[in-house]
Amino acid sequence: AQSVAQPEDQVNVAEGNPLTVKCTYSVSGNPYLFWYVQYPNRGLQFLLKYITGDNLVKGSYGFEAEFNKSQTSFHLKKPSALVSDSALYFCAVRPYGQNFVFGPGTRLSVLP
Amino acid sequence: GAVVSQHPSWVICKSGTSVKIECRSLDFQATTMFWYRQFPKQSLMLMATSNEGSKATYEQGVEKDKFLINHASLTLSTLTVTSAHPEDSSFYICSALAESDEQYFGPGTRLTVT
Repeated sequence: AQSVAQPEDQVNVAEGNPLTVKCTYSVSGNPYLFWYVQYPNRGLQFLLKYITGDNLVKGSYGFEAEFNKSQTSFHLKKPSALVSDSALYFCAVRPYGQNFVFGPGTRLSVLP
Repeated sequence: GAVVSQHPSWVICKSGTSVKIECRSLDFQATTMFWYRQFPKQSLMLMATSNEGSKATYEQGVEKDKFLINHASLTLSTLTVTSAHPEDSSFYICSALAESDEQYFGPGTRLTVT
């Protein structure tokens, strides 16, 4: 079965510090990998995706993610966190032509 | 970029009534749209796949008679929650599949059944 794991329900980080939100996946083939952010009572906002090529993907709002095929991971990172980054983050995989499989989400709190 | 809208953004209804939620792709055509449900502090759960001009495909455990889906045009899919009950209260999110195989998500609809 295809699955996405986000091992941390909650990540707390001080403003200005680097942040990492972890994601590992278990799917067949070479899926597309995504990160979305969700603010309260809002839909999903696209941050970035990996399809092929360079393992380090740069996305919106200064976020980036590193694809590691051997570890089947796609961790989200940002060098310097902002309070406004506090939100719910979802990792998702999407095998070509198939539906999304979402992770359970990680709540990021950036403390001033 | 492509935009998907949902209407209404929030709705409160009484138990036993029906509620219709619209999902529109504003600047592209989408033969396929998806409906998700999200409970508080949980991930998105795919409910059904809506195909223009044909019947929707429902995920296991989703009642097709309760959650009626109509995809009448290439830019509009509707989800009707029939005879709503408090346990149907949730956040409903749609997404639309563009020709590029990209999926674009709507802003969501908060349904509260009293």
